[in-house]
Amino acid sequence: GESVGLHLPTLSVQEGDNSIINCAYSNSASDYFIWYKQESGKGPQFIIDIRSNMDKRQGQRVTVLLNKTVKHLSLQIAATQPGDSAVYFCAERPPHTGTASKLTFGTGTRLQVTL
Amino acid sequence: DSGVTQTPKHLITATGQRVTLRCSPRSGDLSVYWYQQSLDQGLQFLIQYYNGEERAKGNILERFSAQQFPDLHSELNLSSLELGDSALYFCASSGGVFTSTDTQYFGPGTRLTVL
Repeated sequence: GESVGLHLPTLSVQEGDNSIINCAYSNSASDYFIWYKQESGKGPQFIIDIRSNMDKRQGQRVTVLLNKTVKHLSLQIAATQPGDSAVYFCAERPPHTGTASKLTFGTGTRLQVTL
Repeated sequence: DSGVTQTPKHLITATGQRVTLRCSPRSGDLSVYWYQQSLDQGLQFLIQYYNGEERAKGNILERFSAQQFPDLHSELNLSSLELGDSALYFCASSGGVFTSTDTQYFGPGTRLTVL
């Protein structure tokens, strides 16, 4: 399993700057990807998702990029705010049949927004 | 608020004991997932139920079991507890009839401490 907690990679960004959080996923056959934000003491919160037939998807202040060639996912946050400080997880859904489904989570990245 | 509820929020118990964690999915969601989050193992998928039936299984110990009831709420039973079972346990739901079957929405979690 992946290591989190004290061993989390940390990204420190100044308020107002753009943030880019990267994730390498493991299964080249995964067909669906999600970014979650987790604040201390809370459950993961859905941010944005993307299917494997897309390269880019935009939301409000967030953009997800998918590079299937190198199995890489990134989350871009525009004009980062103090409220964006949290741990960010990417998750992939391996191939599944019917209603069976599960997510495999990557190692989280802690985003610290400095004033 | 994701719409997924979990009880209790905190649980403190002793080794060898048995506990039950409860989850109510978002209104209309048919799938319930259980995840374990510990400091050294990250977010790990345990098990999925869809409309009352087990659909996918992850690294769930034999001492753990789950079920989903006709009203779609789910319970995770943890028995013969060990110190290493101390973790956050999250429930997620997805698969409403009129919504995406893919996105999993997480509850606030139950923090289990085994002494």
